[in-house]
Amino acid sequence: DTGVSQNPRHKITKRGQNVTFRCDPISEHNRLYWYRQTLGQGPEFLTYFQNEAQLEKSRLLSDRFSAERPKGSFSTLEIQRTEQGDSAMYLCASSFPLVGSGDGYTFGSGTRLTVV
Amino acid sequence: AQTVTQSQPEMSVQEAETVTLSCTYDTSESDYYLFWYKQPPSRQMILVIRQEAYKQQNATENRFSVNFQKAAKSFSLKISDSQLGDAAMYFCAYIGYGQNFVFGPGTRLSVLP
Repeated sequence: DTGVSQNPRHKITKRGQNVTFRCDPISEHNRLYWYRQTLGQGPEFLTYFQNEAQLEKSRLLSDRFSAERPKGSFSTLEIQRTEQGDSAMYLCASSFPLVGSGDGYTFGSGTRLTVV
Repeated sequence: AQTVTQSQPEMSVQEAETVTLSCTYDTSESDYYLFWYKQPPSRQMILVIRQEAYKQQNATENRFSVNFQKAAKSFSLKISDSQLGDAAMYFCAYIGYGQNFVFGPGTRLSVLP
């Protein structure tokens, strides 16, 4: 297993278009997380899944954002009607369900989105 | 809500010297964990060191050590014998009862040859 994989690595889109990102977690991990990182800031939590169930969503996740993990393996994050403020790096992470310890949390290299 | 503050946007250190990065946090939770992550230009977040709040002993990992002051809610990272490969963004992070990290804004560390 080569870790958490995210595709594409870069995405440039015009304002108003829809985009979809994919995350493939470590196969043994049943938790999967999405974070957003804007320039000069630390990552901010968006949402997480345990298996296929989406258990928590941040208030940052507006109605234009939707995340899925249909078979409890890979996940997709879709942004509809993109806005320039959506420009950021979108990080995915996966872990075992070790409550509160953060142990074994593995991040991907992110998808950098630029909305022009 | 929990918050994490890093007051040093940028720091620099001479190769082989020691540097300390500062972090403070705010929480009302009694059980939590604190972390330092490194993010090089390759963008992947790499765990540097982890501290359980219930442990009084400061964590160490080779050249990296922390000074954890629970009462002051302070969690600084010391890098000894700095190497060129240590240059990166460093993020202080908190995880408590929730399932997600709360990150600080980061400190950009430059290592000068």
